Amino acid sequence: ETGVTQSPTHLIKTRGQQVTLRCSSQSGHNTVSWYQQALGQGPQFIFQYYREEENGRGNFPPRFSGLQFPNYSSELNVNALELDDSALYLCASSFGPGSNEKLFFGSGTQLSVL
Amino acid sequence: GIQVEQSPPDLILQEGANSTLRCNFSDSVNNLQWFHQNPWGQLINLFYIPSGTKQNGRLSATTVATERYSLLYISSSQTTDSGVYFCAVERSGAAGNKLTFGGGTRVLVKP
Repeated sequence: ETGVTQSPTHLIKTRGQQVTLRCSSQSGHNTVSWYQQALGQGPQFIFQYYREEENGRGNFPPRFSGLQFPNYSSELNVNALELDDSALYLCASSFGPGSNEKLFFGSGTQLSVL
Repeated sequence: GIQVEQSPPDLILQEGANSTLRCNFSDSVNNLQWFHQNPWGQLINLFYIPSGTKQNGRLSATTVATERYSLLYISSSQTTDSGVYFCAVERSGAAGNKLTFGGGTRVLVKP
């Protein structure tokens, strides 16, 4: 049990729609990162939020956006869904953005785009 | 960007056996973490180990940063050890815990 919870666990959308995924971090963790994991591959870094500001972004287009709230919750929003967006989306929290902090992952949201 | 290669890609073990998983990376790192992803998708952090050796029960890990590799040892394997093991790194000089994952080693422990 990592103390990081994500909702929903599964989601089905159609191409062109918009989706919001939610994450609740461990209490005291002020940094949240989102990763996309395609089937059979390792997770890929989407972006990180620290104290409610974006703090780094991977190679993902602007239609992937996020929010972080003061109550340790955060959101990942994806607009104009494409078939290739089908993946497991993982949220990870840590005490801070430093490179010496362990990441704690949630169980993920499995998104299917039809 | 930094490249992370894990070997072997697949591993089948008999319960009780020992095994070694390897992670090679292409650049110097200031952050290396090992994770276990169980069959339900949950990623569990096993070790934060940018250098040196650590042990936690039947698991241990060693990172030789100067030679750009890390090893994860599983001793006396159990069926609950099944899943995918990922190595993830961050290049030295990069700012803050934005990890690059390898492709994983899929482990199946048979009773």
